[in-house]
Amino acid sequence: DIVLTQSPALAVSLEQRATISCKTSQNVDNYGISYMHWYQQKPGQQPKLLIYEGSNLASGIPARFSGSGSGTDFTLTIDPVEADDIATYYCQQSKDYPPTFGGGTKLELK
Amino acid sequence: QVQLKESGPGLVQPSRTLSLTCTVSGFSLTSYGVSWVRQPPGKGLEWIAAIWSGGSTDYNSALKSRLSISRDTSKSQVLLKMNSLQTEDTAMYFCAIFNYGSYYFDYWGQGVMVTVSS
Repeated sequence: DIVLTQSPALAVSLEQRATISCKTSQNVDNYGISYMHWYQQKPGQQPKLLIYEGSNLASGIPARFSGSGSGTDFTLTIDPVEADDIATYYCQQSKDYPPTFGGGTKLELK
Repeated sequence: QVQLKESGPGLVQPSRTLSLTCTVSGFSLTSYGVSWVRQPPGKGLEWIAAIWSGGSTDYNSALKSRLSISRDTSKSQVLLKMNSLQTEDTAMYFCAIFNYGSYYFDYWGQGVMVTVSS
């Protein structure tokens, strides 16, 4: 299975930029598409899709969120961070079966 | 609007079989795939199984021998059965629309907590 590695936590100040990284054990690109997706999960809630295929913003997601990267290194950027963005963020790959998730990065306030 | 709602027993004894139901609205099971994903308390996410719009199924190979996913399109329901439950199967179980082609999870239900304990 492809392993996704995320830092457990990231401390950020409101109105600053947060960059959350995800590294994969294998290349998750194929024919120009990055099979990397990002989710936000708040305590007691279900995950919510933020970014699909590396950089595409999901429906209804604010433009403060963006995704970038290719191959084995990907980044979710939130700029500027708002109080409502405090949550845990998960990356997920779908290049190979089974689809797998990173361990999550908990975004905390400084 | 699109909605998914999970239901299940809450508490299951070890070695027994778990049966979960995902009832959907706002879309047709013959047009979209649905997956189950679980999350142990305080831990990350694990994909379990999927059933596609045409009725074909996929399973996580690590769990495949214990799983069965099916659907009842007349009731707009996706059913998951997992046998030989152990304490490590204690988790929140979510169902989600599973995008065909890029294989990401579009919309998620609120989840149902399953505790395996005697």
